[in-house]
Amino acid sequence: GENVEQHPSTLSVQEGDSAVIKCTYSDSASNYFPWYKQELGKRPQLIIDIRSNVGEKKDQRIAVTLNKTAKHFSLHITETQPEDSAVYFCAASMDYGGSQGNLIFGKGTKLSVKP
Amino acid sequence: SAVISQKPSRDICQRGTSLTIQCQVDSQVTMMFWYRQQPGQSLTLIATANQGSEATYESGFVIDKFPISRPNLTFSTLTVSNMSPEDSSIYLCSVGGVLTSYEQYFGPGTRLTVT
Repeated sequence: GENVEQHPSTLSVQEGDSAVIKCTYSDSASNYFPWYKQELGKRPQLIIDIRSNVGEKKDQRIAVTLNKTAKHFSLHITETQPEDSAVYFCAASMDYGGSQGNLIFGKGTKLSVKP
Repeated sequence: SAVISQKPSRDICQRGTSLTIQCQVDSQVTMMFWYRQQPGQSLTLIATANQGSEATYESGFVIDKFPISRPNLTFSTLTVSNMSPEDSSIYLCSVGGVLTSYEQYFGPGTRLTVT
Protein backbone atom coordinates (compact mmCIF):
# COMPACT_ATOMS: atom_id res chain seq x y z
CA GLY A 1 0.00 0.00 0.00
CA GLU A 2 0.84 3.67 -0.12
CA ASN A 3 3.42 5.08 2.28
CA VAL A 4 4.03 8.81 2.78
CA GLU A 5 7.22 10.12 4.36
CA GLN A 6 7.38 13.71 5.61
CA HIS A 7 10.38 15.86 6.58
CA PRO A 8 11.33 17.61 8.74
CA SER A 9 9.37 16.65 11.82
CA THR A 10 9.99 20.07 13.35
CA LEU A 11 10.87 23.37 11.71
CA SER A 12 11.60 26.68 13.36
CA VAL A 13 11.90 29.89 11.32
CA GLN A 14 12.01 33.60 11.95
CA GLU A 15 9.02 35.67 11.00
CA GLY A 16 9.34 36.74 7.38
CA ASP A 17 11.50 33.80 6.36
CA SER A 18 10.35 30.99 4.07
CA ALA A 19 9.49 27.46 5.19
CA VAL A 20 9.64 24.31 3.08
CA ILE A 21 8.20 20.93 4.02
CA LYS A 22 8.85 17.89 1.86
CA CYS A 23 6.98 14.62 1.36
CA THR A 24 7.63 11.50 -0.68
CA TYR A 25 5.13 8.84 -1.64
CA SER A 26 5.59 5.25 -2.74
CA ASP A 27 2.64 4.38 -4.98
CA SER A 28 2.83 5.85 -8.48
CA ALA A 29 -0.96 5.42 -8.77
CA SER A 30 -1.53 8.20 -6.23
CA ASN A 31 -2.87 11.24 -8.03
CA TYR A 32 -4.04 13.70 -5.39
CA PHE A 33 -1.85 15.43 -2.78
CA PRO A 34 -3.44 17.74 -0.20
CA TRP A 35 -1.83 19.65 2.64
CA TYR A 36 -3.57 20.19 5.96
CA LYS A 37 -2.82 22.65 8.73
CA GLN A 38 -3.77 21.64 12.25
CA GLU A 39 -3.65 24.14 15.08
CA LEU A 40 -3.60 22.88 18.64
CA GLY A 41 -6.95 21.40 19.61
CA LYS A 42 -8.48 22.06 16.20
CA ARG A 43 -9.46 19.94 13.26
CA PRO A 44 -7.12 19.55 10.24
CA GLN A 45 -7.88 22.25 7.68
CA LEU A 46 -7.24 21.82 3.98
CA ILE A 47 -4.96 24.67 2.92
CA ILE A 48 -3.85 23.68 -0.57
CA ASP A 49 -3.81 20.64 -2.80
CA ILE A 50 -2.45 19.49 -6.12
CA ARG A 51 -3.44 16.85 -8.60
CA SER A 52 -0.99 14.78 -10.58
CA ASN A 53 -1.67 16.55 -13.87
CA VAL A 54 -0.27 19.80 -12.43
CA GLY A 55 3.33 20.55 -11.44
CA GLU A 56 2.80 23.60 -9.25
CA LYS A 57 -0.03 25.47 -7.58
CA LYS A 58 0.06 28.73 -5.68
CA ASP A 59 -2.35 30.47 -3.34
CA GLN A 60 -1.04 33.77 -1.97
CA ARG A 61 1.88 32.92 0.36
CA ILE A 62 1.47 29.16 -0.03
CA ALA A 63 2.60 27.01 -2.93
CA VAL A 64 2.84 23.30 -3.58
CA THR A 65 5.10 21.61 -6.12
CA LEU A 66 4.88 18.05 -7.40
CA ASN A 67 7.54 15.92 -9.06
CA LYS A 68 5.80 12.77 -10.30
CA THR A 69 8.98 11.18 -11.58
CA ALA A 70 10.70 11.43 -8.22
CA LYS A 71 7.42 10.88 -6.34
CA HIS A 72 7.79 13.84 -4.07
CA PHE A 73 5.86 17.00 -3.36
CA SER A 74 6.61 20.04 -1.24
CA LEU A 75 4.83 22.84 0.60
CA HIS A 76 6.37 26.30 0.43
CA ILE A 77 5.29 29.10 2.76
CA THR A 78 6.77 32.54 2.08
CA GLU A 79 6.86 35.56 4.37
CA THR A 80 5.95 33.42 7.36
CA GLN A 81 3.89 34.92 10.17
CA PRO A 82 3.39 33.76 13.77
CA GLU A 83 -0.12 32.59 12.87
CA ASP A 84 1.44 30.07 10.47
CA SER A 85 2.67 28.17 13.53
CA ALA A 86 0.89 24.79 13.51
CA VAL A 87 1.36 21.16 12.55
CA TYR A 88 1.26 20.57 8.80
CA PHE A 89 0.35 17.21 7.31
CA CYS A 90 0.84 16.06 3.75
CA ALA A 91 -1.27 13.26 2.33
CA ALA A 92 -1.76 11.20 -0.80
CA SER A 93 -4.69 9.38 -2.30
CA MET A 94 -5.70 7.72 -5.52
CA ASP A 95 -8.77 7.60 -7.69
CA TYR A 96 -11.00 4.52 -7.47
CA GLY A 97 -13.31 4.46 -10.44
CA GLY A 98 -14.23 8.13 -10.27
CA SER A 99 -14.27 8.50 -6.48
CA GLN A 100 -11.20 9.62 -4.59
CA GLY A 101 -10.03 7.11 -2.06
CA ASN A 102 -8.87 7.50 1.49
CA LEU A 103 -5.98 9.75 2.46
CA ILE A 104 -2.66 8.36 3.61
CA PHE A 105 -0.97 10.93 5.83
CA GLY A 106 2.61 11.79 6.56
CA LYS A 107 3.65 12.04 10.21
CA GLY A 108 3.44 15.81 10.31
CA THR A 109 5.75 18.81 10.65
CA LYS A 110 5.51 21.14 13.60
CA LEU A 111 6.25 24.62 12.29
CA SER A 112 7.16 27.36 14.75
CA VAL A 113 7.43 30.92 13.49
CA LYS A 114 9.31 33.16 15.93
CA PRO A 115 8.43 36.85 15.97
CA SER B 1 -17.19 23.45 2.02
CA ALA B 2 -19.73 21.46 4.03
CA VAL B 3 -20.60 22.03 7.67
CA ILE B 4 -19.64 18.90 9.57
CA SER B 5 -20.60 18.26 13.18
CA GLN B 6 -19.69 15.47 15.56
CA LYS B 7 -21.29 14.35 18.80
CA PRO B 8 -20.09 14.11 21.48
CA SER B 9 -17.19 16.54 21.32
CA ARG B 10 -15.52 14.72 24.19
CA ASP B 11 -16.23 11.95 26.64
CA ILE B 12 -14.64 10.06 29.49
CA CYS B 13 -15.61 6.40 29.54
CA GLN B 14 -15.01 3.39 31.71
CA ARG B 15 -13.00 0.44 30.49
CA GLY B 16 -15.20 -2.25 28.93
CA THR B 17 -17.99 0.07 27.84
CA SER B 18 -18.88 1.30 24.34
CA LEU B 19 -19.31 4.78 22.88
CA THR B 20 -21.09 5.76 19.67
CA ILE B 21 -19.87 8.86 17.86
CA GLN B 22 -22.11 10.62 15.39
CA CYS B 23 -21.07 12.57 12.29
CA GLN B 24 -23.60 14.82 10.57
CA VAL B 25 -23.08 16.80 7.35
CA ASP B 26 -25.33 19.59 6.13
CA SER B 27 -25.33 18.34 2.53
CA GLN B 28 -25.21 15.01 0.76
CA VAL B 29 -21.69 13.72 0.29
CA THR B 30 -20.30 10.83 -1.67
CA MET B 31 -17.63 9.64 0.73
CA MET B 32 -17.39 9.50 4.50
CA PHE B 33 -14.35 8.29 6.40
CA TRP B 34 -13.39 7.72 10.02
CA TYR B 35 -9.88 8.51 11.26
CA ARG B 36 -8.10 8.19 14.58
CA GLN B 37 -5.50 10.63 15.83
CA GLN B 38 -3.58 9.65 18.94
CA PRO B 39 -2.03 12.47 20.99
CA GLY B 40 0.77 14.17 19.08
CA GLN B 41 0.46 11.75 16.19
CA SER B 42 -0.72 11.73 12.61
CA LEU B 43 -4.10 10.63 11.32
CA THR B 44 -4.81 6.95 10.67
CA LEU B 45 -7.76 5.78 8.64
CA ILE B 46 -10.05 3.35 10.46
CA ALA B 47 -12.58 2.71 7.71
CA THR B 48 -14.57 4.07 4.81
CA ALA B 49 -18.26 4.34 5.64
CA ASN B 50 -20.26 3.08 2.67
CA GLN B 51 -23.86 4.13 2.28
CA GLY B 52 -26.15 1.14 2.29
CA SER B 53 -23.43 -1.46 2.71
CA GLU B 54 -20.79 -2.64 5.15
CA ALA B 55 -17.86 -0.34 5.88
CA THR B 56 -14.44 -1.02 4.40
CA TYR B 57 -11.87 -1.42 7.19
CA GLU B 58 -8.15 -0.76 7.06
CA SER B 59 -5.57 -3.23 8.24
CA GLY B 60 -5.55 -3.42 12.01
CA PHE B 61 -9.17 -2.34 12.47
CA VAL B 62 -12.08 -4.79 12.68
CA ILE B 63 -15.83 -4.47 12.55
CA ASP B 64 -16.40 -6.07 15.96
CA LYS B 65 -14.30 -3.36 17.61
CA PHE B 66 -15.35 -0.40 15.44
CA PRO B 67 -18.82 -1.01 13.98
CA ILE B 68 -19.84 1.72 11.56
CA SER B 69 -23.18 2.68 10.14
CA ARG B 70 -24.05 4.98 7.26
CA PRO B 71 -27.82 4.98 6.76
CA ASN B 72 -27.86 7.91 4.31
CA LEU B 73 -25.64 10.41 2.48
CA THR B 74 -25.44 12.91 5.37
CA PHE B 75 -24.93 10.79 8.50
CA SER B 76 -22.61 8.14 9.90
CA THR B 77 -21.79 6.63 13.28
CA LEU B 78 -18.67 4.99 14.65
CA THR B 79 -18.88 2.84 17.76
CA VAL B 80 -15.81 2.11 19.84
CA SER B 81 -16.62 -1.18 21.58
CA ASN B 82 -15.30 -2.81 24.72
CA MET B 83 -12.98 0.13 25.30
CA SER B 84 -9.55 -0.01 26.87
CA PRO B 85 -7.19 2.87 27.77
CA GLU B 86 -5.39 2.27 24.45
CA ASP B 87 -8.52 3.52 22.68
CA SER B 88 -8.02 6.98 24.18
CA SER B 89 -7.67 9.17 21.13
CA ILE B 90 -9.35 11.77 18.95
CA TYR B 91 -11.77 10.30 16.44
CA LEU B 92 -12.51 12.37 13.35
CA CYS B 93 -14.90 11.91 10.50
CA SER B 94 -14.13 13.34 7.10
CA VAL B 95 -16.25 13.82 4.02
CA GLY B 96 -15.42 13.83 0.35
CA GLY B 97 -17.32 14.70 -2.78
CA VAL B 98 -18.64 18.04 -1.52
CA LEU B 99 -17.26 20.49 -4.08
CA THR B 100 -15.11 18.08 -6.06
CA SER B 101 -14.62 14.33 -6.08
CA TYR B 102 -11.24 14.52 -4.33
CA GLU B 103 -11.20 17.16 -1.57
CA GLN B 104 -11.81 15.93 1.98
CA TYR B 105 -12.95 18.00 4.92
CA PHE B 106 -12.78 17.03 8.55
CA GLY B 107 -15.25 17.24 11.38
CA PRO B 108 -14.21 18.81 14.69
CA GLY B 109 -13.35 15.47 16.25
CA THR B 110 -14.37 13.58 19.38
CA ARG B 111 -11.83 13.41 22.18
CA LEU B 112 -12.20 10.09 23.97
CA THR B 113 -10.54 9.24 27.26
CA VAL B 114 -10.88 5.71 28.62
CA THR B 115 -10.16 5.16 32.30
